[in-house]
Amino acid sequence: AQKITQTQPGMFVQEKEAVTLDCTYDTSDQSYGLFWYKQPSSGEMIFLIYQGSYDEQNATEGRYSLNFQKARKSANLVISASQLGDSAMYFCAMREAERGGSNYKLTFGKGTLLTVNP
Amino acid sequence: DAGVIQSPRHEVTEMGQEVTLRCKPISGHNSLFWYRQTMMRGLELLIYFNNNVPIDDSGMPEDRFSAKMPNASFSTLKIQPSEPRDSAVYFCASSSRDEQYFGPGTRLTVT
Repeated sequence: AQKITQTQPGMFVQEKEAVTLDCTYDTSDQSYGLFWYKQPSSGEMIFLIYQGSYDEQNATEGRYSLNFQKARKSANLVISASQLGDSAMYFCAMREAERGGSNYKLTFGKGTLLTVNP
Repeated sequence: DAGVIQSPRHEVTEMGQEVTLRCKPISGHNSLFWYRQTMMRGLELLIYFNNNVPIDDSGMPEDRFSAKMPNASFSTLKIQPSEPRDSAVYFCASSSRDEQYFGPGTRLTVT
């Protein structure tokens, strides 16, 4: 079973509008972390935002916010006021806790290709 | 801060040759990760180190792949012998706590 599911292979949004990229996850751990990364056509992986499972408030970073719904196991990324430069592949990832560990590996979804139209 | 540094950025080699990819993590980060990205399989974790010790190498495809981290500021991923199916982008990432930062990647082409 997939641990991270991104159901939208591609999304289109008009410049200056908001867009939500979906991500659902599957874990039995109580402590975990959720990440979003942006990969533009140039190929680098850019860290956008992080949400810990015990964080009570949704994470925000500038125009990015993470809509964390723990009971539904969803961690959707919301990009407000889209810009042409937001066109890229977006990956959701999860870090599950390991007993006795201190830094953990990430499991990635297959990504959503966002295209911002002028 | 310089970020995660990887070299080379591009590598083209012939099947059967040895390939060595290099990574310098962000100073002060105690975990280092090697990933591979292909169209077919997406992003896969190959191996990760914590305090220079390999913790999980279950993602390493086969014995042709090996990784080392001789000190806190350097790691290598070696493929010997290389095969065309190893063609991919290889990322190195490092972290100290929650956030994990990626290097620019090495695009490997094996002909």
